Amino acid sequence: QSVLTQPPSASGTPGQRVTISCSGSSSNIGSNYVYWYQQLPGTAPKLLIYRNNQRPSGVPDRFSGSKSGTSASLAISGLRSEDEADYYCAAWDDSLSDVVFGGGTKLTVL
Amino acid sequence: EVQLVQSGAEVKKPGESLKISCKGSGYSFTSYWIGWVRQMPGKGLEWMGIIYPGDSDTRYSPSFQGQVTISADKSISTAYLQWSSLKASDTAMYYCARHKGLRAPATDPWGQGTLVTVSS
Repeated sequence: QSVLTQPPSASGTPGQRVTISCSGSSSNIGSNYVYWYQQLPGTAPKLLIYRNNQRPSGVPDRFSGSKSGTSASLAISGLRSEDEADYYCAAWDDSLSDVVFGGGTKLTVL
Repeated sequence: EVQLVQSGAEVKKPGESLKISCKGSGYSFTSYWIGWVRQMPGKGLEWMGIIYPGDSDTRYSPSFQGQVTISADKSISTAYLQWSSLKASDTAMYYCARHKGLRAPATDPWGQGTLVTVSS
């Protein structure tokens, strides 16, 4: 059971906008930054969003992050087939003194 | 280019010891934390712990404290993850990743991963 809660799956058609939610608590998302990772099949995770809504250089602006209270969201606009991957949220947890992850969301592009 | 390169896949028997490595290049290795993440087959990501190669300050996730040892040799820009007695449940992919700070998830880059298989 993951500390952060994500839907196990999400889907969309090319060109659509999809959002993936990440729910936590006051000790993690509520008081710390949220990070998002993309893991393409058979590859290492890649940083997509850091500090709630910041994109590393090279990450398309189709990807955006937001946070409100103890929840966060990743939005992907103009969906492409190459976006089909697993997406994970993460944050530091002050109570656990641990980096906690969501269980991951498998995004399917129909 | 900033990168982390991990050692190759390992196949071990239960009870054996193992040390895998993560070599950094293209940046000041002693100025950033290096963390380790486990991914069991078909499962999600789990943070194991972190080390600051500059002074070897090491912190462990409560879930992995006492189960593994994290170390670093700054002279060769390499971090390590080791087990003294492997179990079948240690079978997983292990990733190292650079962290910008202590109380925060990894940023980039990530290593390519080291697959550890423990089987009798």
